[in-house]
Amino acid sequence: KAGVTQTPRYLIKTRGQQVTLSCSPISGHRSVSWYQQTPGQGLQFLFEYFSETQRNKGNFPGRFSGRQFSNSRSEMNVSTLELGDSALYLCASSSPGGGLETQYFGPGTRLLVL
Amino acid sequence: EDQVTQSPEALRLQEGESSSLNCSYTVSGLRGLFWYRQDPGKGPEFLFTLYSAGEEKEKERLKATLTKKESFLHITAPKPEDSATYLCAVQADNTDKLIFGTGTRLQVFP
Repeated sequence: KAGVTQTPRYLIKTRGQQVTLSCSPISGHRSVSWYQQTPGQGLQFLFEYFSETQRNKGNFPGRFSGRQFSNSRSEMNVSTLELGDSALYLCASSSPGGGLETQYFGPGTRLLVL
Repeated sequence: EDQVTQSPEALRLQEGESSSLNCSYTVSGLRGLFWYRQDPGKGPEFLFTLYSAGEEKEKERLKATLTKKESFLHITAPKPEDSATYLCAVQADNTDKLIFGTGTRLQVFP
């Protein structure tokens, strides 16, 4: 079956703009998590959605937000972009009732903020 | 505060030269410790989960072990295709999120 897909794969924005990233989970997966990956900080958890509800949240400012649709697809939005938001944004989905062992990652969206 | 530290940051090995990667952690209560492999331009790929001290898991040339303070990923007779970044992460009790280390970048030369 198809894996986790993320669009777009690459994105260049300027400071102050906003951006929306999309994630389509594996068919049947209802949990979607988002992570930010930077060379200095590694992967940091942003938030997790399950059945259209945010279930967990990391320590990121309110400029980072997300949502999940009824078909389990998820979007994350970053408003008022800063240079430090340049990163690889990874989405992961996991199966209902499965632990994090069932979590599969997408290839990521690489965001560059100029 | 829950924390994961991986060492070394980078490791260069000759093909066939066995070695170990370290992941030390501080967590209020460990629910699971995860190892992932990440290739350039791709998302992390799940390798192992360890749940309790003394547990070991193996997959091909990789073997993961766990103590109460750290985990090791042993690589036996590595091949160039084992070159990747290896990530360690912990899941604390009562949470469904992972806390990652910054990874060890492994290069294996023929």
